[in-house]
Amino acid sequence: AQKITQTQPGMFVQEKEAVTLDCTYDTSDQSYGLFWYKQPSSGEMIFLIYQGSYDEQNATEGRYSLNFQKARKSANLVISASQLGDSAMYFCAMREGSGSNTGKLIFGQGTTLQVKP
Amino acid sequence: DGGITQSPKYLFRKEGQNVTLSCEQNLNHDAMYWYRQDPGQGLRLIYYSQIVNDFQKGDIAEGYSVSREKKESFPLTVTSAQKNPTAFYLCATKSQPRRNEKLFFGSGTQLSVL
Repeated sequence: AQKITQTQPGMFVQEKEAVTLDCTYDTSDQSYGLFWYKQPSSGEMIFLIYQGSYDEQNATEGRYSLNFQKARKSANLVISASQLGDSAMYFCAMREGSGSNTGKLIFGQGTTLQVKP
Repeated sequence: DGGITQSPKYLFRKEGQNVTLSCEQNLNHDAMYWYRQDPGQGLRLIYYSQIVNDFQKGDIAEGYSVSREKKESFPLTVTSAQKNPTAFYLCATKSQPRRNEKLFFGSGTQLSVL
């Protein structure tokens, strides 16, 4: 069964510094996609970045980048130049296996990031 | 504006009462999903629908029911059989279920028990 593991319940980072949020995954599929979402205290889920398993380069979106290490089955999110507005809960997710047609995403437990001024 | 509208933002349920959470989308997406989020936890799938007039149980469907009579709408009913309904409920959509693309989320409904 597929699984997403986020081992850091909470993280602190100083404003303007970079921070890495860990995510490991377990799948037997060759083709898969990994997603990161941000959930501020207001509750909405904001899509940040996507990495496909066959993408040759690590995904980047502005201050967000994904450190994708396929052999180690890790997809860590790197946030550069942290801002106070980055304080939120962050979720790593994976699409359910290719044998399924549900299209659902499987989520990790999340990491709460607090940015210190 | 294009998007997903969930209502109400806050909802209170009395014991023995059924309540319905609304989810409406104008993105013309085929697939719709209901997730439940407990405090400090990840999201768990309740029900999903890939096409009008069809829906499937997710991982925690007991005590919930849904309908998909229109493409735009996917309401979730929390029945009295759901003994621990207090949670944050998120509705999500996707253009086509099989595509490896992101989910779009509504702003959520917080359900509490009186």
